[in-house]
Amino acid sequence: EPEVTQTPSHQVTQMGQEVILRCVPISNHLYFYWYRQILGQKVEFLVSFYNNEISEKSEIFDDQFSVERPDGSNFTLKIRSTKLEDSAMYFCASRGTGLNTEAFFGQGTRLTVV
Amino acid sequence: LAKTTQPISMDSYEGQEVNITCSHNNIATNDYITWYQQFPSQGPRFIIQGYKTKVTNEVASLFIPADRKSSTLSLPRVSLSDTAVYYCLEGGYQKVTFGTGTKLQVIP
Repeated sequence: EPEVTQTPSHQVTQMGQEVILRCVPISNHLYFYWYRQILGQKVEFLVSFYNNEISEKSEIFDDQFSVERPDGSNFTLKIRSTKLEDSAMYFCASRGTGLNTEAFFGQGTRLTVV
Repeated sequence: LAKTTQPISMDSYEGQEVNITCSHNNIATNDYITWYQQFPSQGPRFIIQGYKTKVTNEVASLFIPADRKSSTLSLPRVSLSDTAVYYCLEGGYQKVTFGTGTKLQVIP
């Protein structure tokens, strides 16, 4: 079964450092998403991406965040200057076309900012 | 902004049928209703999706009334491994928003 792959599974970084979280969506999917989940809280939408541009973003997705699809297979989330409150699980998801297609989620990257 | 509401938690004994209801009073005409399951420290996993009436797959059934303002996920004969958080979602392509989810605890 095809799956969304995320790397690394766990990243520890110092406050103020830049991090890049990587995702390989399912190959024929066209819609891509990033979500985050702070420990013990709900899954929060960050951004959706289609046709090489952001289609929607939440208020969480401020200027410190950016997304990119650099080579047609990877989909990355960059946090420019991490804060302690950025510590969370970050999930990437992708979906195909069609009105009733579901989103497939990766297993997540646990980001710990110290 | 579309928003779903579901019970925060539920307990059930093994072998029983569990029904989790979600309300989505402002669902858009084109939006589907999707349910996901999430185990601790794992990504959400798709369970079932529907637009109207009833949908059934090998895992669950989904009941959606004609007005589409609510939906009910039915899990037949739950086992301990069904202990998880269940999310009801509504949305289109651009944004799919998770609610707080229902934490289901299956008791032996």
